[in-house]
Amino acid sequence: QKEVEQNSGPLSVPEGAIASLNCTYSDRGSQSFFWYRQYSGKSPELIMFIYSNGDKEDGRFTAQLNKASQYVSLLIRDSQPSDSATYLCAVKRAGGFKTIFGAGTRLFVKA
Amino acid sequence: GAGVSQSPSNKVTEKGKDVELRCDPISGHTALYWYRQSLGQGLEFLIYFQGNSAPDKSGLPSDRFSAERTGGSVSTLTIQRTQQEDSAVYLCASSWDREKAFFGQGTRLTVV
Repeated sequence: QKEVEQNSGPLSVPEGAIASLNCTYSDRGSQSFFWYRQYSGKSPELIMFIYSNGDKEDGRFTAQLNKASQYVSLLIRDSQPSDSATYLCAVKRAGGFKTIFGAGTRLFVKA
Repeated sequence: GAGVSQSPSNKVTEKGKDVELRCDPISGHTALYWYRQSLGQGLEFLIYFQGNSAPDKSGLPSDRFSAERTGGSVSTLTIQRTQQEDSAVYLCASSWDREKAFFGQGTRLTVV
């Protein structure tokens, strides 16, 4: 079992729709959860982080965390073509040094 | 600097040669990470530095890989006797809180 699992996609949504990206993790000691966006040929960019169960909203982005289910998701409202990218889920263990990344989900937003 | 700087941006080397990749982190960031990303794959952790020490080097694939950091700033990743499977994008990231990482643009290494 991979430590961080994501559906590789591609996930295709029409412009203006809600894109829902999901991630599960195996280490119950994970405490910090991150979403990075990576455009093709570019480096990852941090867009959201969440530490507590529940929802965290930032503009069009909402991160959701459920530690009991070991599940973290990212919702993108009013999706735009510029949101088309690979979204990487990442987790970090409490007191740990390294952040473990999933393989990413490719998102296409159709104009 | 304003961001994490990596050099070279591209490197083509012959199999068996040694290569050095450089990372200049954001000023004041004490944590520095090296990751590797193969085509279409996620990020593979290589090594973590806190200051000049490396408390976690568990991701280095073999003893051909080594890294150092000096002055709590610049880091170099050295790959000896390169193999074709070493071809990948090598990403460096730095962090001030060991949580949120800021990535450089990467070095694309091609071993021919």
